[in-house]
Amino acid sequence: DQQVKQNSPSLSVQEGRISILNCDYTNSMFDYFLWYKKYPAEGPTFLISISSIKDKNEDGRFTVFLNKSAKHLSLHIVPSQPGDSAVYFCAASASYGYALNFGKGTSLLVTP
Amino acid sequence: EAQVTQNPRYLITVTGKKLTVTCSQNMNHEYMSWYRQDPGLGLRQIYYSMNVEVTDKGDVPEGYKVSRKEKRNFPLILESPSPNQTSLYFCASSPTMSYNEQFFGPGTRLTVL
Repeated sequence: DQQVKQNSPSLSVQEGRISILNCDYTNSMFDYFLWYKKYPAEGPTFLISISSIKDKNEDGRFTVFLNKSAKHLSLHIVPSQPGDSAVYFCAASASYGYALNFGKGTSLLVTP
Repeated sequence: EAQVTQNPRYLITVTGKKLTVTCSQNMNHEYMSWYRQDPGLGLRQIYYSMNVEVTDKGDVPEGYKVSRKEKRNFPLILESPSPNQTSLYFCASSPTMSYNEQFFGPGTRLTVL
């Protein structure tokens, strides 16, 4: 049973605009959330994370928002660049020391 | 350069022929893990290791074996591969199990005919 869901398999955005990638989770024990980025023929690389004690975390063009009551998080990329085109995986963990649960991924295409 | 390496990167084999996919990290990480990625299923954990000689099953361990005799190496063994093990495999490591950000290898694409 998929505990982390990324319901949009793909997203296309114009360069310079905002990209919003969404993720929902079902397990209320999850309290740490991560986003990974994956280019073809490469392994996933860590992008940004957020703990459940926060509702927002920023790192440059990337911001993750967490809505615990809705069990929803989103990744905002502003402004989007062609180099951001990749598959983005949402992952969640039930506290430190527990395995990461990954979503199926969203393929982002940023067009010039 | 800090990295996780996997070999081979690509492998085509036949049903029942034992194979090993190697994984090595040069960051002195305690925690290592194997995942498989399948279309529409995302990344699923196969096995993990919290330290040398300590391994445990992940979500999809059937048909796989692992060993952790040295800190840097964590090979994945398929004793009798079957076509349903055709997948993209990733090894990952992190300093400890409590450190959530994992570093991934480049992946091994395995095809079992």
